[in-house]
Amino acid sequence: EPEVTQTPSHQVTQMGQEVILRCVPISNHLYFYWYRQILGQKVEFLVSFYNNEISEKSEIFDDQFSVERPDGSNFTLKIRSTKLEDSAMYFCASSRQGYYEQYFGPGTRLTVT
Amino acid sequence: AQRVTQPEKLLSVFKGAPVELKCNYSYSGSPELFWYVQYSRQRLQLLLRHISRESIKGFTADLNKGETSFHLKKPFAQEEDSAMYYCALSDNAGNMLTFGGGTRLMVKP
Repeated sequence: EPEVTQTPSHQVTQMGQEVILRCVPISNHLYFYWYRQILGQKVEFLVSFYNNEISEKSEIFDDQFSVERPDGSNFTLKIRSTKLEDSAMYFCASSRQGYYEQYFGPGTRLTVT
Repeated sequence: AQRVTQPEKLLSVFKGAPVELKCNYSYSGSPELFWYVQYSRQRLQLLLRHISRESIKGFTADLNKGETSFHLKKPFAQEEDSAMYYCALSDNAGNMLTFGGGTRLMVKP
């Protein structure tokens, strides 16, 4: 059964550095999402992406964040200048269509020191 | 703004006992509601959605618009049901999921 994959599983970075989190969605899916979960808190929506553009974003997704689908398979989340409070588990998800089930990746744990 | 509330962080029951995990929501439109489950060391996966009206692994959930609730129920809990359960709501466009805080279900032998 196809799955969403994410790399790396754990990323440690220093404050102020740029990080890129990578995701490979399920191949026939058209909608892509990023969520994050700070330790002990809720899973929070960051951004959705369809047809090569952002379709929705939350207040968390400010100018420090960007997403890209650089080729036919990868979907990336970039944080331009990381802050301590960006430390969290980041989940990628994809779905065939907007209302369909979202399939989640295993997550990337980002630690900012 | 949409919001999902799961009042219990932890629910502990004995094997064979009934289980009810509570979920309340607030949303101005017509909601699409889901239950996601995360077993130990596994990814988030969909357990059920209200529109399909299915019973998955013995779990059911009924949308009560009057009480704005979508509680998850199972008549007889099994040890393998121990996991983290998240209630989630989708907006009208299906662009995003809003999650509750999650309830950890522990089923004791």
